[in-house]
Amino acid sequence: KQEVTQIPAALSVPEGENLVLNCSFTDSAIYNLQWFRQDPGKGLTSLLLIQSSQREQTSGRLNASLDKSSGRSTLYIAASQPGDSATYLCAVRPEYGANSKLTFGKGITLSVRP
Amino acid sequence: NAGVMQNPRHLVRRRGQEARLRCSPMKGHSHVYWYRQLPEEGLKFMVYLQKENIIDESGMPKERFSAEFPKEGPSILRIQQVVRGDSAAYFCASSPPGGGSTDTQYFGPGTRLTVL
Repeated sequence: KQEVTQIPAALSVPEGENLVLNCSFTDSAIYNLQWFRQDPGKGLTSLLLIQSSQREQTSGRLNASLDKSSGRSTLYIAASQPGDSATYLCAVRPEYGANSKLTFGKGITLSVRP
Repeated sequence: NAGVMQNPRHLVRRRGQEARLRCSPMKGHSHVYWYRQLPEEGLKFMVYLQKENIIDESGMPKERFSAEFPKEGPSILRIQQVVRGDSAAYFCASSPPGGGSTDTQYFGPGTRLTVL
């Protein structure tokens, strides 16, 4: 059974700091991994999707890496801003085809202090 | 192209009542997924549907919960005889047909169910 872990559960940093959010998964047979952002009381916004054959993806100040063999992914946020404050979730898709469900971690709640 | 729509956004029910949650996928999407987010928990998969078919319901509670995605109209998640433990945020996601390797699931804003 796939399990996704995100530690720590919460993180507080001063504005401008570069930071790394970690995600680990127990079953390395994944098809892709996705990072989402969730604002309080809101839905999920997809940030980055990394295919299992890829090592990293970049979008603006965000960079996500994937080490499939070791079951790890990191989300790097450069020059953090108060607007980055949210919960960040990672999710893996275990296999292609009929079984397309995502398995989520519990998320990391990030607070960026002005 | 409107995103995934869910209604109602907030739903309050008393114990024993029925809750119906609706999800309209993005235009052109024929795959729908339902997830539940309990307080202090991550999102948990419930059910995966394509038009008129349930593909994977391994995350659905055995009793009181059902889901459908008819040929016409939105997908419905139905909870009968709700209990306080059903209070949660229910999210719907959709993806395009074909199940391509790069397809992303697009999430709706969720329905927050409160059972009194």
